[in-house]
Amino acid sequence: AQKITQTQPGMFVQEKEAVTLDCTYDTSDPSYGLFWYKQPSSGEMIFLIYQGSYDQQNATEGRYSLNFQKARKSANLVISASQLGDSAMYFCAMGETSGSRLTFGEGTQLTVNP
Amino acid sequence: NAGVTQTPKFQVLKTGQSMTLQCAQDMNHEYMSWYRQDPGMGLRLIHYSVGAGITDQGEVPNGYNVSRSTTEDFPLRLLSAAPSQTSVYFCASRVGGTQYFGPGTRLLVL
Repeated sequence: AQKITQTQPGMFVQEKEAVTLDCTYDTSDPSYGLFWYKQPSSGEMIFLIYQGSYDQQNATEGRYSLNFQKARKSANLVISASQLGDSAMYFCAMGETSGSRLTFGEGTQLTVNP
Repeated sequence: NAGVTQTPKFQVLKTGQSMTLQCAQDMNHEYMSWYRQDPGMGLRLIHYSVGAGITDQGEVPNGYNVSRSTTEDFPLRLLSAAPSQTSVYFCASRVGGTQYFGPGTRLLVL
């Protein structure tokens, strides 16, 4: 069985600063994918970034980067230059590398202060 | 290209009633899935489908039925609603290695 753990129920960051959201995972599968989604107060789920377990380099998408440490089974999300619009719930998820059958963590509520 | 659409946006049911949550996508995606999100929690997989005519159970399938007669549609049926099924329901379809979610259906069972 796969398990995702997000240990930070809430995080605060000043506008324009960087913030790291923690995510650890557990799986016995040799091949898997790691995903981050953003859920603003409006409720929709917005895909941010993907990392495959065999990818040699950490994934980046604009201001988002994924700090993937396979030996530690961690997949932390780094948001650079935070903006007020980044205030939202952030979910880490893992599943098959095809993107199927996702298992989600409980989320981290990020608040960006002006 | 409307992406993933879900109807209704909000529904109130009485215990024991049945209903169908609709999900459609116009992107010809083979893989579709249903998740539920309870307050303060992440999403949990209910059922998924890898193509028309093929469905399988996820983590929390009890109380729900699905079918996939076409590539476009993947409805979720509640046969006899229970208060424990009060939740927000998300449908998703997969393109490449990423699942994209619909806007969700908020269901309240009294």
